[in-house]
Amino acid sequence: GAVVSQHPSWVICKSGTSVKIECRSLDFQATTMFWYRQFPKQSLMLMATSNEGSKATYEQGVEKDKFLINHASLTLSTLTVTSAHPEDSSFYICSARPDPNTEAFFGQGTRLTVV
Amino acid sequence: QKEVEQNSGPLSVPEGAIASLNCTYSDRVSQSFFWYRQYSGKSPELIMSIYSNGDKEDGRFTAQLNKASQYVSLLIRDSQPSDSATYLCAVMKGSQGNLIFGKGTKLSVKP
Repeated sequence: GAVVSQHPSWVICKSGTSVKIECRSLDFQATTMFWYRQFPKQSLMLMATSNEGSKATYEQGVEKDKFLINHASLTLSTLTVTSAHPEDSSFYICSARPDPNTEAFFGQGTRLTVV
Repeated sequence: QKEVEQNSGPLSVPEGAIASLNCTYSDRVSQSFFWYRQYSGKSPELIMSIYSNGDKEDGRFTAQLNKASQYVSLLIRDSQPSDSATYLCAVMKGSQGNLIFGKGTKLSVKP
């Protein structure tokens, strides 16, 4: 299957700081990437859809000024958690698909812990 | 009604048995369905995709889709302890193809 790489795999940061997470499609171009968040024992919740060259589309209840998404190229999308708080601690996962109508592949995920 | 519903389990089966995982969805126009496996602390990995009514087999896995009943299932034959994980049902939605996930069913295969 297609390869999606996410970095870092885990990060610990202090409250009030910002953290950037990268998502790369390694062997295909992705005009669209998706960012999910998963709290313990919960399912994946879509946060936003990242579109290359345009603004991201955020799901209801997700603060766009707090979760900044940049999709500057066809192989890279970044999610920046700004002014992080302990309640932002979660597992963040990106996904992308080579073809709009087929399966999506996921990055390894980023475990964010805000202390 | 939630968009994608799964029994959270846990579902416990003995090694070698058939595990049956079920999922229902609410959007009648959905066309693409996926099963992902997620081990604890890891991201989901694709097991099966299914797009038309009927059965689709891949090794020990069989996905079944019934669009009239808005129902999709996953059968795992000859279950192994390594199959112990949470299985997520996902339905594609929207023009950009984002996935809506169920809460997942936790499967435990006992040796």
